[in-house]
Amino acid sequence: QVQLVQSGAEVKKPGASVKVSCKASGYIFSNYFMHWVRQAPGQGLEWMGILNPSGDSATYAEKFQGRVTMGRDTATSTVYMELSSLRSEDTAIYYCVRDLRHLDFWSGLEHWGQGTLVTVSS
Amino acid sequence: QSVLTQPPSVSAAPGQDVTISCSGSSSNIGNNYVSWYQQLPGTAPKLLIYDNHKRPSGIPDRFSGSKSGTSATLGITGLQTGDEADYYCGVWDGSLSAGLFGGGTKLTVL
Repeated sequence: QVQLVQSGAEVKKPGASVKVSCKASGYIFSNYFMHWVRQAPGQGLEWMGILNPSGDSATYAEKFQGRVTMGRDTATSTVYMELSSLRSEDTAIYYCVRDLRHLDFWSGLEHWGQGTLVTVSS
Repeated sequence: QSVLTQPPSVSAAPGQDVTISCSGSSSNIGNNYVSWYQQLPGTAPKLLIYDNHKRPSGIPDRFSGSKSGTSATLGITGLQTGDEADYYCGVWDGSLSAGLFGGGTKLTVL
């Protein structure tokens, strides 16, 4: 079965960077787009960006452009998301999410990682 | 302020039916497939509906989706207390080249 297992919770100071990883299993890793979605405490879902199946192209939400980098390591079936210049408003749960259909983006965000809490505090 | 507009909350009694709306524009709902997500308290969201009206395996047929023009609707029949959750619509926006979520609707089963 499809599994997305994310790295553990992080506490960072303002201005620092955080890198969240997401290890995939149970499917052909290089056939699916991967998204990152975050959710601040008590708030709704916020789409951050999408990484193509080969990992050589990413599209980011305008809000995060210049601060976020998404990539993948095919050898370990792991995708990652790095967010820099952290501020308190970045405190949130970050999810990696696999699309429903292979080689299709936004066909439906079917498989979600367990989420990684990133806390930004001085 | 989300580009996709959902009512903040809806409520109904067990056994009743409820609908949740999601309003967008031609660049998103009007020209792309809508999906719906259920988020139970303290858990990751779960895909309920994709391609406007299709249900993934395991989703009961009490849940349905529809789309008309630039609006979409999630329907839930025979409400159960276990349906209490936050519901989000989601769609790709071709003009923004970005994924979008509605602000979310909290369903209370009285």
